[in-house]
Amino acid sequence: NAGVTQTPKFRVLKTGQSMTLLCAQDMNHEYMYWYRQDPGMGLRLIHYSVGEGTTAKGEVPDGYNVSRLKKQNFLLGLESAAPSQTSVYFCASGRNTQYFGPGTRLTVL
Amino acid sequence: DQQVKQNSPSLSVQEGRISILNCDYTNSMFDYFLWYKKYPAEGPTFLISISSIKDKNEDGRFTVFLNKSAKHLSLHIVPSQPGDSAVYFCAASAAIQGAQKLVFGQGTRLTINP
Repeated sequence: NAGVTQTPKFRVLKTGQSMTLLCAQDMNHEYMYWYRQDPGMGLRLIHYSVGEGTTAKGEVPDGYNVSRLKKQNFLLGLESAAPSQTSVYFCASGRNTQYFGPGTRLTVL
Repeated sequence: DQQVKQNSPSLSVQEGRISILNCDYTNSMFDYFLWYKKYPAEGPTFLISISSIKDKNEDGRFTVFLNKSAKHLSLHIVPSQPGDSAVYFCAASAAIQGAQKLVFGQGTRLTINP
């Protein structure tokens, strides 16, 4: 039982490049979330999903897109990366209690 | 507008003593509260939670207290151990547009000194 896994763990992008972050969970949770964490701030919700095929915007959705084609996977995409998107990204699953993955550290130069 | 606030960025406590971490919130719609612990380069780990219908929840060395009238919750760790050194986030949950969403505080870095 791996819980929530994220790939990749680290990535460096140049401004304007695109990439996809993958989140997978094996707990059969309906709800999945993407957060970003910046220094001195708590986690902020980017997008979330309440079930396969559904997505919705969170607090800071601009510049990101998501897809939930399978219940166990939640993808976060950056179409044209900007330096302001340098952050640590966490995926979570669960409803009342959310369980987090280990994070992806992204640097945009 | 910061709906969940942890006003102490850091806290230093001697091993064996009690650690008290505090959190304030503004939105009365929050109905579930959680504490997470985070080590460097790892994801947040769920620690303990409390429903708004309770005022105390205990799990081993960890106790969470909720004061709804003051919109304040606290986490007590006793006795504190070196492995408790980490960043602690409080989070508040409310059902918004059909989904249960968490709002996090900024975190408090707890250091346990030998």
